[in-house]
Amino acid sequence: DAGVTQSPTHLIKTRGQHVTLRCSPISGHKSVSWYQQVLGQGPQFIFQYYEKEERGRGNFPDRFSARQFPNYSSELNVNALLLGDSALYLCASSKNPTGDSSYTFGSGTRLTVV
Amino acid sequence: QQQVKQSPQSLIVQKGGISIINCAYENTAFDYFPWYQQFPGKGPALLIAIRPDVSEKKEGRFTISFNKSAKQFSLHIMDSQPGDSATYFCAAEGGSQGNLIFGKGTKLSVKP
Repeated sequence: DAGVTQSPTHLIKTRGQHVTLRCSPISGHKSVSWYQQVLGQGPQFIFQYYEKEERGRGNFPDRFSARQFPNYSSELNVNALLLGDSALYLCASSKNPTGDSSYTFGSGTRLTVV
Repeated sequence: QQQVKQSPQSLIVQKGGISIINCAYENTAFDYFPWYQQFPGKGPALLIAIRPDVSEKKEGRFTISFNKSAKQFSLHIMDSQPGDSATYFCAAEGGSQGNLIFGKGTKLSVKP
């Protein structure tokens, strides 16, 4: 079975631009979460979606938005990019939205804002 | 506010030695405590996890020790190998939200 797939793997954007990151969960997983990992830090929670509904949101500005599609894939959108948005963006999928299931992470999208 | 504190930041261990990484948490609503292993260029991978009704869990060379009263838990890696060299993250989850709160990570280097 394929794991969590994220695209693109790397991305370079200019300040002020918009970016869309994509995630396909493991087959059968209905929950998708997004995390931001700044170099040298642990991942920080951005959003969680379950059955296409937003289940949780971390402490990130409104420039960050996400959605989940009927096939459970997800997109993370970031508007008006800042240099500080440079990070590894991780997608994690699980069968359920809370801790009964373990999360499986993708390899991430490395975003560089210049 | 850092809800999960992890130490040490980095750790060097000789091959065959024991690696110990410690974490402390604040929120008593947390009820699931996983450890993740991350190699460069990869996402975190679940290593082992524990719930607070158990004081210890062992899987192969990896053991979690959990102290509910002290709100602390630790990862022990027995017979550490160079292939264990990676960054390790403790995390916690619980309450109404299903998101993981991660520690800042420990970079482990196992010397041959």
